[in-house]
Amino acid sequence: TQTVSQSDAHVTVFEGDSVELRCNYSYGGSIYLSWYIQHHGRGLQFLLKYYSGNPVVQGVNGFKAEFSKSDSSFHLRKASVHWSDSAVYFCAVRNSAGNKLTFGIGTRVLVRP
Amino acid sequence: EAAVTQSPRNKVTVTGGNVTLSCRQTNSHNYMYWYRQDTGHGLRLIHYSYGAGNLQIGDVPDGYKATRTTQEDFFLLLELASPSQTSLYFCASSGTGYAEQFFGPGTRLTVL
Repeated sequence: TQTVSQSDAHVTVFEGDSVELRCNYSYGGSIYLSWYIQHHGRGLQFLLKYYSGNPVVQGVNGFKAEFSKSDSSFHLRKASVHWSDSAVYFCAVRNSAGNKLTFGIGTRVLVRP
Repeated sequence: EAAVTQSPRNKVTVTGGNVTLSCRQTNSHNYMYWYRQDTGHGLRLIHYSYGAGNLQIGDVPDGYKATRTTQEDFFLLLELASPSQTSLYFCASSGTGYAEQFFGPGTRLTVL
């Protein structure tokens, strides 16, 4: 059974700051990790994914994430946040059969001007 | 771009009531999913489907039925709604099990 842990429920940053959102997973099968973003009142939108190769993956809008097998982590980063990055961010791990995602509880990011 | 629509957007019912939530996707995706979102739990998978007529059990299926009538349409049924089913429900679709999922705007259900 796969599990995902997002240790920070809330993160507050100022516009222009960098941000790192932490995600740790537990799964013994083939790795398939992804991040999704949910703006207020909207459905989730895909940001990026990792399943093999370069452990640093680039996503949309300047987001990137780094996979670490030794740390069982897949942290999301952005170098300079914009007010529009205020949202809830979900990390997810897929099972080996490739038919189900397990989501973390989400990290709410507030970007202050 | 992927398009997933849900109806209704808001629904209020009473305990014991019968509710049907609808989802339609227009991207010819094979996979469709129903999730519920609750504070402190993130998204939890209720049911999913590989195609018309197919239904798979998710992680929190109790109290829910689902039916996939066509490739486009996936319904979630609550036949005896309970207050514990008050939640925000999302439908999603994907082309394959490994592809990213496209989500609808959600349905907020309140069971009094």
